Amino acid sequence: GAVVSQHPSRVICKSGTSVKIECRSLDFQATTMFWYRQFPKKSLMLMATSNEGSKATYEQGVEKDKFLINHASLTLSTLTVTSAHPEDSSFYICSARDSGRVPRETQYFGPGTRLLVL
Amino acid sequence: QKEVEQDPGPLSVPEGAIVSLNCTYSNSAFQYFMWYRQYSRKGPELLMYTYSSGNKEDGRFTAQVDKSSKYISLFIRDSQPSDSATYLCAMNREVLTGGGNKLTFGTGTQLKVEL
Repeated sequence: GAVVSQHPSRVICKSGTSVKIECRSLDFQATTMFWYRQFPKKSLMLMATSNEGSKATYEQGVEKDKFLINHASLTLSTLTVTSAHPEDSSFYICSARDSGRVPRETQYFGPGTRLLVL
Repeated sequence: QKEVEQDPGPLSVPEGAIVSLNCTYSNSAFQYFMWYRQYSRKGPELLMYTYSSGNKEDGRFTAQVDKSSKYISLFIRDSQPSDSATYLCAMNREVLTGGGNKLTFGTGTQLKVEL
């Protein structure tokens, strides 16, 4: 149980284009999902918290107009990187909190999406 | 001072060794403690969680929490080459209080278990 998927696993795009990443909880409902960014050999940096049916809460320094988050259902959240630039190249990882599981604080992570902007 | 400090490693041990991974924290509001394992180019995988001081054992893994010292550890017995990964500690406040949803991570310890 507690499986989270991400799609795509890897994407290469040209500078200026937009990229959408999907995060799905496959066997549980996730009222809250999180989006992280990770640079090589670094820890996870929380970008935003996504709550189903409401606006995402962004961490300080994260541009909400650049990283659009939509959490339209209890099993799907999307992150859209708009007008991507080479500095946006990174490993993006989502996680989901299973409110039906103890402890409720536990987050389950997706496999990550590697974005390369040329 | 960071809220969570973790020995960065890298840590290299021979197969079969006992591995000790540690984190310290400064915020006494943290109540839930987790260890994640992350293989290269993969998402973190939950290994263990604890919410009280003491030890919790699961197979070759033992998680230890000392809230009075604000110190947590993960022990791996009979380490195997397949244990080679980055180990991240993470902690959280009570969900019902402000900020309870966010996990605060350590920087991760890179472990290599050699044949």
